[in-house]
Amino acid sequence: GAGVSQSPSNKVTEKGKDVELRCDPISGHTALYWYRQSLGQGLEFLIYFQGNSAPDKSGLPSDRFSAERTGGSVSTLTIQRTQQEDSAVYLCASSFLGTGGEKLFFGSGTQLSVL
Amino acid sequence: SQQGEEDPQALSIQEGENATMNCSYKTSINNLQWYRQNSGRGLVHLILIRSNEREKHSGRLRVTLDTSKKSSSLLITASRAADTASYFCATLGSRLTFGEGTQLTVNP
Repeated sequence: GAGVSQSPSNKVTEKGKDVELRCDPISGHTALYWYRQSLGQGLEFLIYFQGNSAPDKSGLPSDRFSAERTGGSVSTLTIQRTQQEDSAVYLCASSFLGTGGEKLFFGSGTQLSVL
Repeated sequence: SQQGEEDPQALSIQEGENATMNCSYKTSINNLQWYRQNSGRGLVHLILIRSNEREKHSGRLRVTLDTSKKSSSLLITASRAADTASYFCATLGSRLTFGEGTQLTVNP
């Protein structure tokens, strides 16, 4: 597609359930980022994929969070045993070079609500 | 912790006025970018300024960078109601890190 696509746009789940969030980056973009944004806050870095390199997972808040990127394209962020504090907007972004020297293209995000 | 810090946190002006937002950061950077966010969803890139540049223009946007003071400013001239949004600076050190943002409200 023309832009970064994220699904679902909204997800409501019960505490303790697992959720999967999907990101389809712009075709040809080598870098993919996941950020989390709580209401009225800035963006919290979660994880970064660049080509075939090992991902930078330093932002993942706990071992309940994991992400993978298959075939260098689509990425899935998985949150296991969700907690209420996981409620936030999860944003995915991609860029061509991934050095940060190029601009990021963001998806519209997934609003996650954990009840 | 966030690298960039925007100031002010919120700004309310009348249509036609200029809006100035500031960003301070802590460590050395390769470049600094400004993004805009509507309604808490996806961000849109506005402008990028490299560490060896001091000023950059794009339409009604003017960005300055002072690496000695570790600060940047974003000026929006002749503001419009449609400029109402949150504005974030992002700095590239080891990774791209975003600040907390400035909420700009432009009243018609």
